[in-house]
Amino acid sequence: GENVEQHPSTLSVQEGDSAVIKCTYSDSASNYFPWYKQELGKGPQLIIDIRSNVGEKKDQRIAVTLNKTAKHFSLHITETQPEDSAVYFCAASLLGTPLVFGKGTRLSVIA
Amino acid sequence: DVKVTQSSRYLVKRTGEKVFLECVQDMDHENMFWYRQDPGLGLRLIYFSYDVKMKEKGDIPEGYSVSREKKERFSLILESASTNQTSMYLCASSPPTALGTEAFFGQGTRLTVV
Repeated sequence: GENVEQHPSTLSVQEGDSAVIKCTYSDSASNYFPWYKQELGKGPQLIIDIRSNVGEKKDQRIAVTLNKTAKHFSLHITETQPEDSAVYFCAASLLGTPLVFGKGTRLSVIA
Repeated sequence: DVKVTQSSRYLVKRTGEKVFLECVQDMDHENMFWYRQDPGLGLRLIYFSYDVKMKEKGDIPEGYSVSREKKERFSLILESASTNQTSMYLCASSPPTALGTEAFFGQGTRLTVV
C-alpha cells in the first residue's frame, strides 16, 4: 500500500520568510495530493490540493509542486504570518480510495 | 458550510469498558472515515465506509469496530477499551470521487483510557 514520508517534523521561520515542507510517496498509482492544516484544538482542514495531471498549483501565498517521476510533492508558504503557525499534513491517494497521511510538520512562525 | 460533528470533545473511560464515538455529517456524503492521531505518527486510518451498512478495514482496525446504519452517522466502537487506545480520534466525510475528493474533518475526540 501507499506510504507517505514528510519532512521536516518541525520548522521554525521568521515572520515574512518562506516555509517549505516536503513529502514523498511510494505508490506510483496515486494521483491526488492534498495538504491539510490543523490548528490547535481543531480538526485538519484542506488548504490546497493537486492532481497528478498538474505540476504546480498556487493559491495566494501557498503553492504546491508535484514531481511524479521522483514521487515527491512540496508545500510552499511565502510571506509567512503568525497565523500560519499550525501542524501541516500532506496526503496521497488514488482517487476514490482513502487518504494516506504523512506524520505532520509543526510550523512555528516567529514574530 | 459542511459540518462534521463528533459527539464528544473529551472522554475518559476505564479499561475494559465498551466505548462509542459518534460522528454525524450534514452534507449527504457517501464516504466516511475514522482516523486515529498520535504525536509523531500522523493520522492512521482505522475504518471507512462508502455506503450505508458498508464498512472496510483500514490500516489499524484491531480492537475497533464500526457501525453505519444511516448515511449521515458513522460510529466507532471500542469493544473493550485499553490504555493503548488513548488517543485523538478524528472522523471525516467526503463526497463520491466523481464530485470531488476533499475530506472534511470533525473537531476530534480526545479519549483517555485509565
